[in-house]
Amino acid sequence: DIQMTQSPASLSASLEEIVTITCQASQDIGNYLSWYQQKLGKSPQLLIHSATSLADGVPSRFSGSRSGTQYSLKINRLQVEDTGIYYCLQHYSAWTFGGGTKLELK
Amino acid sequence: QVNLLQSRAALVKPGASVKLSCKASGYTFTDYYIHWVKQSHGKSLEWIGYINPNSGYTNYNEKFKSKATLTVDKSTNTAYMELSRLTSEDSATYYCTRPQYRYNHNWFAYWGQGTLVTVSS
Repeated sequence: DIQMTQSPASLSASLEEIVTITCQASQDIGNYLSWYQQKLGKSPQLLIHSATSLADGVPSRFSGSRSGTQYSLKINRLQVEDTGIYYCLQHYSAWTFGGGTKLELK
Repeated sequence: QVNLLQSRAALVKPGASVKLSCKASGYTFTDYYIHWVKQSHGKSLEWIGYINPNSGYTNYNEKFKSKATLTVDKSTNTAYMELSRLTSEDSATYYCTRPQYRYNHNWFAYWGQGTLVTVSS
């Protein structure tokens, strides 16, 4: 089974700051990686698919990148509405989520 | 627009079963797989399994093979997940979700609002 190790587990950042969240896959998953944002009491919402492609309607301050089996979600110029929990998901072999990153404002 | 409407919260007794529903609209129901995902309180997300609404073919996460049963009713565009022999470990929010494209191995683009299941005597 493919494991997704996500870090950090929690993060506190200031408005306008640059934030980076990473997921490390236990084996090669190519670009079969997506990122989601979940607000309290709501369903996850797609941000990035195919490791680097922005989903429709998602602000351009969000971006995804890949280096080998490490994947990153970057938020440029953090906004108030970006707080929440972020998850990565691999869908190369079955489907496995990362452990989540709770993002708060400092 | 694609919409997945899930059944309301359920309070069930230990040892009992519960059947959750997910009514799809805004697209051709039989063209897209439906997946189910578990989120225990304060925890991450776990993939339970999927069903092909056209053929009824199912595939489960090994962890949930003896716990969950996925079915569909094509006449009402509704997917179901039955959870059996419930324990406190099954208390969670359960989501149905649909991939972006018709082939199976792609990302989850659409999500239901979730159904909270509480197992308590």
